[in-house]
Amino acid sequence: VHLTESGGNLVQPGGSLRLSCVVSGFSILTYAMTWVRQAPGKGLEWVAVIGVSGGSTYYADSVKGRFTISRDTSTNTLYLQMNSLRVEDTALYSCAKVEAGGNPDSWGQGTLVTVSS
Amino acid sequence: QSALTQPASVSGSPGQSLTISCTGTRSDIGGYNLVSWYQQQPGKAPKLLLYEVNERPSGVSDRFSGSKSGNTASLTISGLQAEDEANYFCCSYAGNRLWWVFGGGTQVSVL
Repeated sequence: VHLTESGGNLVQPGGSLRLSCVVSGFSILTYAMTWVRQAPGKGLEWVAVIGVSGGSTYYADSVKGRFTISRDTSTNTLYLQMNSLRVEDTALYSCAKVEAGGNPDSWGQGTLVTVSS
Repeated sequence: QSALTQPASVSGSPGQSLTISCTGTRSDIGGYNLVSWYQQQPGKAPKLLLYEVNERPSGVSDRFSGSKSGNTASLTISGLQAEDEANYFCCSYAGNRLWWVFGGGTQVSVL
């Protein structure tokens, strides 16, 4: 099982970024997937989750209406579209597989998003 | 400012046992038996050590064990080894609004 994030970058406030998480070792068709972030000097914060069916998505209040989680099952890739970025969105963003009925189990190393003017 | 509270650091000598606590509320740890523990080395992805409080994935040493009492979960490392030096953090399911909450991490040092 391997998860590799990419797409992090320096972006100005109000800008957009799309993060990718390429998965190998299992099919994202069969597991819920989630994004978690860690801002500098702060703890981990859950960001978004997409259910097994792909039709259910949920977001932290801090990103609701600005971020969209999605997946491409043909390429086994998870995405996080981030719009209207704010300075407080600066963080290392990691994707993770969710064990059935449980918590995140396998994680990627993360990709860094910096929002600054 | 993590939702779950862990000590910032703990240390022990080789062969000793040490325990890391993770304190939450009845809305997370106290409400569900869905506590996980992870080990993270610098620059690497977190590795799952325990899930559902005290279940070990295959391949994880039985030196790692977990427990829960009320709103506090604990990770115990027995027979401490130099390779156990790492950051350890906890995670709890918190319902379908917050989903998951995390501890701030505990740095384990082997003296």
